[in-house]
Amino acid sequence: KNQVEQSPQSLIILEGKNCTLQCNYTVSPFSNLRWYKQDTGRGPVSLTIMTFSENTKSNGRYTATLDADTKQSSLHITASQLSDSASYICVVRGTAGNNRKLIWGLGTSLAVNP
Amino acid sequence: DGGITQSPKYLFRKEGQNVTLSCEQNLNHDAMYWYRQDPGQGLRLIYYSQIVNDFQKGDIAEGYSVSREKKESFPLTVTSAQKNPTAFYLCASSIGETLFFGPGTRLLVL
Repeated sequence: KNQVEQSPQSLIILEGKNCTLQCNYTVSPFSNLRWYKQDTGRGPVSLTIMTFSENTKSNGRYTATLDADTKQSSLHITASQLSDSASYICVVRGTAGNNRKLIWGLGTSLAVNP
Repeated sequence: DGGITQSPKYLFRKEGQNVTLSCEQNLNHDAMYWYRQDPGQGLRLIYYSQIVNDFQKGDIAEGYSVSREKKESFPLTVTSAQKNPTAFYLCASSIGETLFFGPGTRLLVL
């Protein structure tokens, strides 16, 4: 069973609209949670990294929230643009140390249509 | 222009052949990683290196080998022992918690 579950699997929205992507995890102990954006055929790019003590973190039009008690995170995209079309991946680091212990979600595929 | 480069972009492997994927970084990062990405699966760690001349197996190291003779370079060899090599291979380096990925190499089997 995947310890990082993302929903929805895919999403289509119109340009200019907002959307929210969900990430639930069961990884324990928990060190931090990351959101990555991956364009088709490219490597992932880091959007945010949050520790258990952080509730929200923004990066431009991207805002991530974290509830460590319920083990849920969300990524909110405001005023979507065509360039936001990509896969958004939630990643959890389970233990302190190096980046060895990363658990990757399957991603949410977002399509922004004009 | 700083970053991570991977070559080639596409690579074709014949039955029983070893192939090597290149990964170079000029970010001066100590740690480097190789991941494999398959449809319907999360990224899986193949090998990682925390420092020159040292590397560790990841979760799916069987059928792969690496070397780390220079800080800037971390090549991955897909050996003939890897029976299902078709995938998208991603190289990354890190400083602190942030991973920086290369553009990837897509390996296909002829």
